[in-house]
Amino acid sequence: AQSVTQPDIHITVSEGASLELRCNYSYGATPYLFWYVQSPGQGLQLLLKYFSGDTLVQGIKGFEAEFKRSQSSFNLRKPSVHWSDAAEYFCAVGPMGGGNKLTFGTGTQLKVEL
Amino acid sequence: SAVISQKPSRDICQRGTSLTIQCQVDSQVTMMFWYRQQPGQSLTLIATANQGSEATYESGFVIDKFPISRPNLTFSTLTVSNMSPEDSSIYLCSVYSLMNTEAFFGQGTRLTVV
Repeated sequence: AQSVTQPDIHITVSEGASLELRCNYSYGATPYLFWYVQSPGQGLQLLLKYFSGDTLVQGIKGFEAEFKRSQSSFNLRKPSVHWSDAAEYFCAVGPMGGGNKLTFGTGTQLKVEL
Repeated sequence: SAVISQKPSRDICQRGTSLTIQCQVDSQVTMMFWYRQQPGQSLTLIATANQGSEATYESGFVIDKFPISRPNLTFSTLTVSNMSPEDSSIYLCSVYSLMNTEAFFGQGTRLTVV
């Protein structure tokens, strides 16, 4: 069965510092991978997705993620964090075809110190 | 992209009662899903809402507890029946766009059962 692990429940970074959120997955076939952000009281917004091709994926709000098949990882990065990035971040894996029936990680709560 | 309107946004309910959550999409979509996000937990897929037929439930979820309707391609309801405090969660409607290969989420319904 597929699963997603986000080992960091909480992360605190200073504004302007770099960020990396970890995601490891277990999936029996070629995974379709996603990062979503959930701000307080808001729904989930897609940051980026990986289906195939270039393993470094660019997303919205200056985020990027790198797919590493050998490590079963899909870590999210941002070179300089802004206070508005404080939110909860979810990594998800889905079957071929994309975003239906997603399996989510437990999320990482990001706090940004000014 | 798809715009999803979910109602109510939040509710406080007495145990033993039922609550119906509505999900309206601004365009016709093939796939609609209902997720549950328990406090401090990740999102778990409850079921796939099928237009014109019975919903497809994931392991651990049953129709008697979570009846779902989907009368057309833009609307679905999820009922949480005979509620207990353990049902206190955020319930999210999601649709999958084949065109965008992306899942869109509603704002969620925050349910508290007392």
